[in-house]
Amino acid sequence: GAVVSQHPSRVICKSGTSVKIECRSLDFQATTMFWYRQFPKQSLMLMATSNEGSKATYEQGVEKDKFLINHASLTLSTLTVTSAHPEDSSFYICSARSALGRPGTQYFGPGTRLLVL
Amino acid sequence: GQQVMQIPQYQHVQEGEDFTTYCNSSTTLSNIQWYKQRPGGHPVFLIQLVKSGEVKKQKRLTFQFGEAKKNSSLHITATQTTDVGTYFCLMDSNYQLIWGAGTKLIIKP
Repeated sequence: GAVVSQHPSRVICKSGTSVKIECRSLDFQATTMFWYRQFPKQSLMLMATSNEGSKATYEQGVEKDKFLINHASLTLSTLTVTSAHPEDSSFYICSARSALGRPGTQYFGPGTRLLVL
Repeated sequence: GQQVMQIPQYQHVQEGEDFTTYCNSSTTLSNIQWYKQRPGGHPVFLIQLVKSGEVKKQKRLTFQFGEAKKNSSLHITATQTTDVGTYFCLMDSNYQLIWGAGTKLIIKP
């Protein structure tokens, strides 16, 4: 149980295009989803927290107009990187937290590697 | 504000040696979680500690939560190549979640 999928797993795009990444909780309802970014050999950097049906809360320094987050249902959140540039190339990971089970436990998706040319 | 620290950043061990990573917080935590991330992979939940002084074991892994609920450790006995990866703690303090910087376990060739 507690499986989170993420799609796509890898994406290569041209500079200036937008990329949408989906995060789905497959067997539980995720009241909260988190979006992280991870640079090589570094820790996870929390970008934003989203609760179903409400606007995402962005961490300081993260541009909300650049990284659009939509948590439309209890099983799906999307992150759209708008007008991507090479510096946006990174590993993006989502996690989901259930209202049930262990309080606060996050279940992670497999991540999306984005390369912007 | 809350100060948190995870040490060491790296630990090189010979296969069969022990490994320990520590997480410390300046404020009392409601719970702490540990995650493992293999190279190229995503973090995987290992365990959650909630009670003061709690000790939990998973085979060769021992997790401890301090009496004051401000620090925690993960100890691996007799490391194996499958243990390679980065171990992160996630500290939960009044609904503020803070990740440790991670400790990378490296097995010497």
